[in-house]
Amino acid sequence: QKEVEQDPGPLSVPEGAIVSLNCTYSNSAFQYFMWYRQYSRKGPELLMYTYSSGNKEDGRFTAQVDKSSKYISLFIRDSQPSDSATYLCAMILSGGYQKVTFGTGTKLQVIP
Amino acid sequence: GAVVSQHPSWVICKSGTSVKIECRSLDFQATTMFWYRQFPKKSLMLMATSNEGSKATYEQGVEKDKFLINHASLTLSTLTVTSAHPEDSSFYICSAYDRGQYEQYFGPGTRLTVT
Repeated sequence: QKEVEQDPGPLSVPEGAIVSLNCTYSNSAFQYFMWYRQYSRKGPELLMYTYSSGNKEDGRFTAQVDKSSKYISLFIRDSQPSDSATYLCAMILSGGYQKVTFGTGTKLQVIP
Repeated sequence: GAVVSQHPSWVICKSGTSVKIECRSLDFQATTMFWYRQFPKKSLMLMATSNEGSKATYEQGVEKDKFLINHASLTLSTLTVTSAHPEDSSFYICSAYDRGQYEQYFGPGTRLTVT
């Protein structure tokens, strides 16, 4: 079993739709959870960073963490064509200096 | 956020030659840098953790003698792919840990093509 599972997609949605991206993980010791956006042939860009269970909102993006279920989500409201990218969930055990464990990424396409 | 640069962004080399990739933290000091490899449509695979002034820690299955990592200063780490072969063709990404911000920042990546 992989430490982090993420549906690779691709996921196609019409512009303006609400997008839900999810990851499950097996190691209950993970404490920090991140979502990265990666455009084609570019490095990952940090979108959201959460520590505890619950919701964290930043503009059109909401990150949700449920540690009891080992499940994290990223919601994108009012999706735009510019949101088309691969979204990677990631998590670390403790402290930013530890290695990051990534999901495989979900490719999202927002159709105008 | 902090900026991490990589150079070159794209390199093509012949089989058997060596290639050096640089990773720089531009506006912060990074005691720890990480090197990742990413195959098409795959996630990032950690290759090694690089600590300033000490030897890098390699992940299982990564050849130390093939992927030489040097972290000579708090703002620069280099990855040298020695005796490159076509199977080394990949996207190499570094990240740098900003202790002051408790965050890792990723570079834009370097695409290596070995012919």
